[in-house]
Amino acid sequence: DTAVSQTPKYLVTQMGNDKSIKCEQNLGHDTMYWYKQDSKKFLKIMFSYNNKELIINETVPNRFSPKSPDKAHLNLHINSLELGDSAVYFCASSQRASLSGNTIYFGEGSWLTVV
Amino acid sequence: AQSVAQPEDQVNVAEGNPLTVKCTYSVSGNPYLFWYVQYPNRGLQFLLKYITGDNLVKGSYGFEAEFNKSQTSFHLKKPSALVSDSALYFCAVGNNNAGNMLTFGGGTRLMVKP
Repeated sequence: DTAVSQTPKYLVTQMGNDKSIKCEQNLGHDTMYWYKQDSKKFLKIMFSYNNKELIINETVPNRFSPKSPDKAHLNLHINSLELGDSAVYFCASSQRASLSGNTIYFGEGSWLTVV
Repeated sequence: AQSVAQPEDQVNVAEGNPLTVKCTYSVSGNPYLFWYVQYPNRGLQFLLKYITGDNLVKGSYGFEAEFNKSQTSFHLKKPSALVSDSALYFCAVGNNNAGNMLTFGGGTRLMVKP
């Protein structure tokens, strides 16, 4: 069973559309994240949720809205997609928010292409 | 602010030779250091981490890394490279002052040739 699973894996959509990426973890972790990897492979955190509450929001445009219906799920909704949103989006989770003794586990990524 | 530098975009090594992928970091307080590997079109896989204790950390697939506080480095090493080790490697740093935020380096592509 995949520990952190996200869907869809590939998504091609037109500018201006609204799309969602779903993420689920079956590890029983309290904390979940969204990371963005750009075309140059740079990885940057976007959001972090702990027990359904937002704890990190790294100056991401308002068009990006995470939603955590429960602590096993963290979905990412993107409004009015722009060309610059094309990237790979990684969902991740960790047992708790503190890094001490903690490891972040990543999903397989969702490749978003905006045309 | 915390940061990570991976000075080499690419490292080339022959199969069977030792490999080193370099990482230096900057952080206030005690660092938590991680290495992840990304295979083509895949997610990041955890390799190893340093939180506290022994400076030499052993991880998955025969990899190890040495924490050097004076040089603020956490280089990844393996005694004998395999072709299957070819992938993109990311170093990351965090600490409790920055909450649970990991900052990643730009990645180093490792190419192991037969």
